[in-house]
Amino acid sequence: DAKTTQPPSMDCAEGRAANLPCNHSTISGNEYVYWYRQIHSQGPQYIIHGLKNNETNEMASLIITEDRKSSTLILPHATLRDTAVYYCIVSIQGAQKLVFGQGTRLTINP
Amino acid sequence: NAGVTQTPKFQVLKTGQSMTLQCAQDMNHEYMSWYRQDPGMGLRLIHYSVGAGITDQGEVPNGYNVSRSTTEDFPLRLLSAAPSQTSVYFCASSYSGTYVFFGQGTRLTVV
Repeated sequence: DAKTTQPPSMDCAEGRAANLPCNHSTISGNEYVYWYRQIHSQGPQYIIHGLKNNETNEMASLIITEDRKSSTLILPHATLRDTAVYYCIVSIQGAQKLVFGQGTRLTINP
Repeated sequence: NAGVTQTPKFQVLKTGQSMTLQCAQDMNHEYMSWYRQDPGMGLRLIHYSVGAGITDQGEVPNGYNVSRSTTEDFPLRLLSAAPSQTSVYFCASSYSGTYVFFGQGTRLTVV
């Protein structure tokens, strides 16, 4: 599985958009980009995933660059409850071996 | 649906003791897996299963055994606990590998 690089921490004001970057320059053509988050020490929670097109769901948007070497997770209106560690993972769809890096610790400030 | 249920939530073991961490899911998911998370680190895969009767090793399998006799259950056995196995353990399940659901974790301390 391709390795990802994320900033260790970020801050964002409540109500603003939080943009979390991820670099995955060695991603293969059949690998998807997944985002999970972990609030406090709870189990990770699935957010969104994509292959090459931009994706949006009720939680977030995922923007993948045309060369697929990087992506951005966007939380459009961040709330205090979005404070968490966010993990960007690349993996073949259906693979059971998610490889977690250290993620980005996002803090939403009031 | 209860989702992925892990028991116990907390456990303290003495070095050399053995125990089984329980994991059950009620979503009829084929895939189940166990991860451990050490302080300040991401999760690391211990063992995984793609269906009843089928298991395989992940990144850090040493000191752990698993079996999958039913679709619902995927217990993790610590054979002889060591302080290095102090960690938070997460069980996960999914139908296709796309949407992976995690349990709430078991916090294990080995003294």
